[in-house]
Amino acid sequence: SQQGEEDPQALSIQEGENATMNCSYKTSINNLQWYRQNSGRGLVHLILIRSNEREKHSGRLRVTLDTSKKSSSLLITASRAADTASYFCAAKHSNTGKLIFGQGTTLQVKP
Amino acid sequence: NAGVTQTPKFRVLKTGQSMTLLCAQDMNHEYMYWYRQDPGMGLRLIHYSVGEGTTAKGEVPDGYNVSRLKKQNFLLGLESAAPSQTSVYFCASSLAGYEQYFGPGTRLTVT
Repeated sequence: SQQGEEDPQALSIQEGENATMNCSYKTSINNLQWYRQNSGRGLVHLILIRSNEREKHSGRLRVTLDTSKKSSSLLITASRAADTASYFCAAKHSNTGKLIFGQGTTLQVKP
Repeated sequence: NAGVTQTPKFRVLKTGQSMTLLCAQDMNHEYMYWYRQDPGMGLRLIHYSVGEGTTAKGEVPDGYNVSRLKKQNFLLGLESAAPSQTSVYFCASSLAGYEQYFGPGTRLTVT
Protein backbone atom coordinates (compact mmCIF):
# COMPACT_ATOMS: atom_id res chain seq x y z
CA SER A 1 0.00 0.00 0.00
CA GLN A 2 1.17 3.52 -0.71
CA GLN A 3 -0.80 4.99 2.15
CA GLY A 4 0.98 7.18 4.63
CA GLU A 5 0.90 6.68 8.34
CA GLU A 6 -0.24 9.08 11.00
CA ASP A 7 0.64 9.14 14.64
CA PRO A 8 -1.08 9.10 17.03
CA GLN A 9 -4.27 7.46 15.79
CA ALA A 10 -6.21 9.24 18.53
CA LEU A 11 -5.46 12.22 20.73
CA SER A 12 -7.48 13.69 23.61
CA ILE A 13 -6.53 17.05 25.15
CA GLN A 14 -8.05 19.87 27.17
CA GLU A 15 -9.13 23.14 25.61
CA GLY A 16 -6.22 25.57 25.48
CA GLU A 17 -3.56 22.88 25.12
CA ASN A 18 -1.53 22.31 21.95
CA ALA A 19 -2.09 19.29 19.71
CA THR A 20 0.66 17.73 17.60
CA MET A 21 0.04 15.15 14.88
CA ASN A 22 2.71 13.42 12.84
CA CYS A 23 2.64 12.00 9.34
CA SER A 24 5.07 9.79 7.45
CA TYR A 25 4.97 9.02 3.74
CA LYS A 26 6.82 6.71 1.39
CA THR A 27 7.32 8.48 -1.93
CA SER A 28 8.99 11.59 -3.31
CA ILE A 29 6.51 14.45 -3.21
CA ASN A 30 5.70 17.85 -4.72
CA ASN A 31 3.79 19.02 -1.69
CA LEU A 32 2.10 17.79 1.46
CA GLN A 33 -1.37 18.85 2.49
CA TRP A 34 -3.40 18.63 5.68
CA TYR A 35 -7.16 18.22 5.76
CA ARG A 36 -9.75 18.22 8.51
CA GLN A 37 -12.88 16.08 8.58
CA ASN A 38 -15.71 16.71 10.99
CA SER A 39 -17.86 13.69 11.81
CA GLY A 40 -20.11 12.75 8.91
CA ARG A 41 -18.75 15.47 6.63
CA GLY A 42 -16.36 15.83 3.72
CA LEU A 43 -12.72 16.84 4.09
CA VAL A 44 -11.73 20.49 4.28
CA HIS A 45 -8.31 21.69 3.15
CA LEU A 46 -6.27 23.34 5.92
CA ILE A 47 -2.77 24.02 4.65
CA LEU A 48 -0.30 23.05 1.90
CA ILE A 49 3.47 22.96 2.27
CA ARG A 50 5.71 22.60 -0.78
CA SER A 51 8.62 20.17 -0.88
CA ASN A 52 11.15 23.02 -0.80
CA GLU A 53 9.59 24.54 2.33
CA ARG A 54 10.42 23.48 5.87
CA GLU A 55 7.77 25.29 7.90
CA LYS A 56 4.52 27.09 7.27
CA HIS A 57 2.04 28.92 9.47
CA SER A 58 -1.64 29.67 9.07
CA GLY A 59 -3.43 31.18 12.07
CA ARG A 60 -3.15 28.64 14.90
CA LEU A 61 -1.72 25.99 12.57
CA ARG A 62 1.97 25.26 12.14
CA VAL A 63 3.17 22.65 9.69
CA THR A 64 6.71 21.32 9.32
CA LEU A 65 8.12 19.15 6.58
CA ASP A 66 11.30 17.05 6.62
CA THR A 67 11.75 15.52 3.19
CA SER A 68 14.92 13.65 4.26
CA LYS A 69 12.87 11.77 6.85
CA LYS A 70 9.72 11.75 4.71
CA SER A 71 7.72 13.17 7.57
CA SER A 72 5.52 16.12 8.47
CA SER A 73 3.86 17.41 11.59
CA LEU A 74 0.81 19.55 12.24
CA LEU A 75 0.66 21.64 15.40
CA ILE A 76 -2.60 23.24 16.51
CA THR A 77 -1.98 25.81 19.22
CA ALA A 78 -4.45 26.94 21.89
CA SER A 79 -6.94 24.27 20.88
CA ARG A 80 -10.69 24.80 21.06
CA ALA A 81 -13.59 22.37 21.39
CA ALA A 82 -14.46 23.22 17.76
CA ASP A 83 -11.11 21.70 16.67
CA THR A 84 -12.51 18.25 17.53
CA ALA A 85 -12.27 16.35 14.22
CA SER A 86 -10.15 13.88 12.29
CA TYR A 87 -7.03 15.24 10.62
CA PHE A 88 -5.47 13.73 7.52
CA CYS A 89 -2.19 14.35 5.81
CA ALA A 90 -2.00 13.87 2.05
CA ALA A 91 1.26 13.65 0.13
CA LYS A 92 1.23 14.64 -3.54
CA HIS A 93 3.30 12.05 -5.41
CA SER A 94 5.85 13.83 -7.58
CA ASN A 95 5.61 11.29 -10.44
CA THR A 96 1.91 10.53 -10.63
CA GLY A 97 0.53 13.75 -9.14
CA LYS A 98 -1.89 11.72 -7.04
CA LEU A 99 -2.63 12.52 -3.40
CA ILE A 100 -1.81 9.68 -1.02
CA PHE A 101 -3.77 10.06 2.20
CA GLY A 102 -2.73 8.97 5.65
CA GLN A 103 -5.08 7.04 7.87
CA GLY A 104 -5.88 10.06 10.03
CA THR A 105 -5.60 11.24 13.61
CA THR A 106 -8.80 11.66 15.61
CA LEU A 107 -8.52 14.68 17.88
CA GLN A 108 -10.86 15.29 20.79
CA VAL A 109 -10.65 18.64 22.56
CA LYS A 110 -12.48 18.65 25.89
CA PRO A 111 -14.02 21.92 27.04
CA ASN B 1 -21.55 28.88 -4.97
CA ALA B 2 -22.59 25.35 -4.03
CA GLY B 3 -19.03 24.00 -4.34
CA VAL B 4 -19.04 20.21 -4.75
CA THR B 5 -22.34 18.39 -4.41
CA GLN B 6 -23.05 14.66 -4.40
CA THR B 7 -26.24 12.72 -4.95
CA PRO B 8 -27.58 10.64 -3.36
CA LYS B 9 -26.47 11.08 0.27
CA PHE B 10 -27.44 7.55 1.31
CA ARG B 11 -28.20 4.38 -0.60
CA VAL B 12 -28.79 0.73 0.21
CA LEU B 13 -28.27 -1.81 -2.57
CA LYS B 14 -28.64 -5.56 -2.79
CA THR B 15 -25.72 -7.59 -4.10
CA GLY B 16 -25.70 -7.52 -7.90
CA GLN B 17 -27.67 -4.29 -8.30
CA SER B 18 -26.24 -1.32 -10.14
CA MET B 19 -26.23 2.38 -9.39
CA THR B 20 -24.65 5.67 -10.39
CA LEU B 21 -23.33 8.33 -8.04
CA LEU B 22 -23.36 11.87 -9.35
CA CYS B 23 -20.83 14.55 -8.49
CA ALA B 24 -21.22 18.15 -9.61
CA GLN B 25 -18.96 21.16 -9.11
CA ASP B 26 -19.54 24.80 -9.97
CA MET B 27 -15.96 26.07 -9.56
CA ASN B 28 -14.86 25.39 -13.17
CA HIS B 29 -12.24 22.93 -11.93
CA GLU B 30 -10.45 20.75 -14.46
CA TYR B 31 -9.58 17.91 -12.07
CA MET B 32 -12.15 15.67 -10.41
CA TYR B 33 -11.72 12.60 -8.21
CA TRP B 34 -13.66 9.75 -6.63
CA TYR B 35 -12.46 8.30 -3.32
CA ARG B 36 -13.76 5.71 -0.94
CA GLN B 37 -13.28 5.94 2.81
CA ASP B 38 -13.32 2.86 5.00
CA PRO B 39 -12.73 2.72 8.77
CA GLY B 40 -9.03 2.86 9.59
CA MET B 41 -8.06 3.11 5.90
CA GLY B 42 -8.08 6.82 5.18
CA LEU B 43 -9.14 7.77 1.64
CA ARG B 44 -8.29 5.66 -1.36
CA LEU B 45 -8.51 6.97 -4.91
CA ILE B 46 -10.86 5.03 -7.19
CA HIS B 47 -10.77 6.99 -10.47
CA TYR B 48 -9.96 10.52 -11.47
CA SER B 49 -10.23 12.91 -14.40
CA VAL B 50 -7.94 15.71 -15.54
CA GLY B 51 -10.46 17.24 -17.91
CA GLU B 52 -13.72 16.80 -19.79
CA GLY B 53 -13.79 13.52 -21.68
CA THR B 54 -10.79 12.02 -19.83
CA THR B 55 -10.66 9.45 -17.04
CA ALA B 56 -7.92 7.42 -15.39
CA LYS B 57 -7.62 4.64 -12.83
CA GLY B 58 -6.65 5.28 -9.26
CA GLU B 59 -5.53 2.93 -6.52
CA VAL B 60 -8.70 0.80 -6.25
CA PRO B 61 -10.58 0.96 -9.60
CA ASP B 62 -11.90 -2.62 -9.84
CA GLY B 63 -15.70 -2.88 -9.86
CA TYR B 64 -16.20 0.80 -10.71
CA ASN B 65 -16.55 2.81 -13.90
CA VAL B 66 -16.60 6.57 -14.41
CA SER B 67 -17.54 9.12 -17.02
CA ARG B 68 -16.80 12.82 -17.44
CA LEU B 69 -19.01 13.95 -20.31
CA LYS B 70 -19.32 17.49 -18.98
CA LYS B 71 -16.65 19.47 -17.18
CA GLN B 72 -18.84 20.07 -14.15
CA ASN B 73 -20.00 16.47 -13.67
CA PHE B 74 -18.18 13.26 -12.74
CA LEU B 75 -20.21 10.05 -12.51
CA LEU B 76 -19.22 6.91 -10.63
CA GLY B 77 -20.96 3.68 -11.59
CA LEU B 78 -21.20 0.32 -9.90
CA GLU B 79 -22.35 -2.27 -12.42
CA SER B 80 -22.81 -5.19 -10.01
CA ALA B 81 -22.57 -4.13 -6.39
CA ALA B 82 -20.76 -6.33 -3.86
CA PRO B 83 -20.71 -6.15 -0.03
CA SER B 84 -17.02 -5.16 -0.25
CA GLN B 85 -18.18 -1.91 -1.87
CA THR B 86 -19.97 -0.84 1.30
CA SER B 87 -18.23 2.42 2.08
CA VAL B 88 -18.48 6.18 2.15
CA TYR B 89 -17.75 7.70 -1.25
CA PHE B 90 -16.33 11.18 -1.64
CA CYS B 91 -16.00 13.27 -4.75
CA ALA B 92 -13.47 16.08 -4.95
CA SER B 93 -12.35 18.66 -7.47
CA SER B 94 -9.29 20.85 -7.83
CA LEU B 95 -7.72 23.51 -9.95
CA ALA B 96 -4.41 22.39 -11.49
CA GLY B 97 -4.12 19.48 -9.05
CA TYR B 98 -3.48 21.48 -5.89
CA GLU B 99 -5.82 21.68 -2.90
CA GLN B 100 -8.92 19.56 -3.32
CA TYR B 101 -12.48 20.55 -2.49
CA PHE B 102 -14.62 17.70 -1.23
CA GLY B 103 -18.29 16.95 -1.42
CA PRO B 104 -20.30 15.83 1.64
CA GLY B 105 -20.10 12.12 0.77
CA THR B 106 -22.45 9.28 -0.13
CA ARG B 107 -22.92 6.46 2.36
CA LEU B 108 -23.48 3.21 0.46
CA THR B 109 -24.46 -0.07 2.03
CA VAL B 110 -24.52 -3.27 -0.04
CA THR B 111 -26.37 -6.18 1.56
